Amino acid sequence: NAGVMQNPRHLVRRRGQEARLRCSPMKGHSHVYWYRQLPEEGLKFMVYLQKENIIDESGMPKERFSAEFPKEGPSILRIQQVVRGDSAAYFCASSPFSLAGTYEQYFGPGTRLTVT
Amino acid sequence: KQEVTQIPAALSVPEGENLVLNCSFTDSAIYNLQWFRQDPGKGLTSLLLIQSSQREQTSGRLNASLDKSSGRSTLYIAASQPGDSATYLCAAHTGGGNKLTFGTGTQLKVEL
Repeated sequence: NAGVMQNPRHLVRRRGQEARLRCSPMKGHSHVYWYRQLPEEGLKFMVYLQKENIIDESGMPKERFSAEFPKEGPSILRIQQVVRGDSAAYFCASSPFSLAGTYEQYFGPGTRLTVT
Repeated sequence: KQEVTQIPAALSVPEGENLVLNCSFTDSAIYNLQWFRQDPGKGLTSLLLIQSSQREQTSGRLNASLDKSSGRSTLYIAASQPGDSATYLCAAHTGGGNKLTFGTGTQLKVEL
């Protein structure tokens, strides 16, 4: 059972370009989460999705950022018109549905975005 | 708003020593608490998850405890090894959106 997969692992974009980060959850997992780790800062929650639904986007910046988890295919985190401050490591996590409410999250290796 | 703090921020110990990492959280209404390790430039590896109804969890040389009433969790590492060198993160799972609130991390170095 492959773990959470993210691609690309490294992404370089010029200011003003778009960045698209992909995440394939573990097999059987229906919940996806995105977190951001800025340089010298801790991990911060961005968004929580289930198939075709955004459940909680309270950590997403109001502009330029969007996320989706379509019925088929990976989850996508999209950043439009990137700025230098978007440079960070973006981590995706997934969890299975849990009747017990544990929702243990398993993390991918991350995508390191550098904006030049 | 949940806030998670970890002490110490950095720790250096000789190989073989037993050690304790501390994690505190401000909102005791958590669903569970999860401990991770992060190696430089890598992702997060889940070590232990303690449900709110549990007091502790063990995996090999690792033991994590949870005291919801005092807002504290500890990670005990027995007989430390150089391979344990990493940053250790605790994260509180607060209800509603299933999001994890992470602590600031403890950077551990185990020296030969």
